[in-house]
Amino acid sequence: DTGVSQDPRHKITKRGQNVTFRCDPISEHNRLYWYRQTLGQGPEFLTYFQNEAQLEKSRLLSDRFSAERPKGSFSTLEIQRTEQGDSAMYLCASSLSVNTGELFFGEGSRLTVL
Amino acid sequence: AQSVTQPDIHITVSEGASLELRCNYSYGATPYLFWYVQSPGQGLQLLLKYFSGDTLVQGIKGFEAEFKRSQSSFNLRKPSVHWSDAAEYFCAVGAGSGNTGKLIFGQGTTLQVKP
Repeated sequence: DTGVSQDPRHKITKRGQNVTFRCDPISEHNRLYWYRQTLGQGPEFLTYFQNEAQLEKSRLLSDRFSAERPKGSFSTLEIQRTEQGDSAMYLCASSLSVNTGELFFGEGSRLTVL
Repeated sequence: AQSVTQPDIHITVSEGASLELRCNYSYGATPYLFWYVQSPGQGLQLLLKYFSGDTLVQGIKGFEAEFKRSQSSFNLRKPSVHWSDAAEYFCAVGAGSGNTGKLIFGQGTTLQVKP
């Protein structure tokens, strides 16, 4: 399968713990995006990278959130000191910058904070 | 501020019937508009997009959408719905300047198909 893959698919954690999600984009895609989706809502933009550069971060991304894409390939999204409000589906997507707008999404990583 | 409204949270249609899902957007300039579909256990998939030109755009799976600037709408249509079309549908607009892939999504419309 050469689509966008995310790991883990499900994560249950206790409030205050740190969690990290990984995203492997489609190999030739140089843009990578993180979105968050809560129940009954559409995805909300968090941040995006072109190659290894983080070009934009949403105000939704508090200081407890950090995303990296160290070698311009896979990306990680870390949430420190998780809160119950962080419970959501975290979606990763990738695209070719020459064809932006067509995002290829992974199946998401579902986070439940108890 | 840019926004997308999908007025219908849930729609039920009979298999073989026609379908129209509504989408209204708020955006100052010429928008980049998209429809994505999300099936259970699968990632969002692009159905179609509008950047410029012909206001009637064709997509995959027999879907089409029409951009109407005067109504700030981008409604999705399909002439004959199949049971496999049951899913959640999201309209989105490209945010910011240029087409960066940063999208603002509507809250979605869940489509149920009756046999």
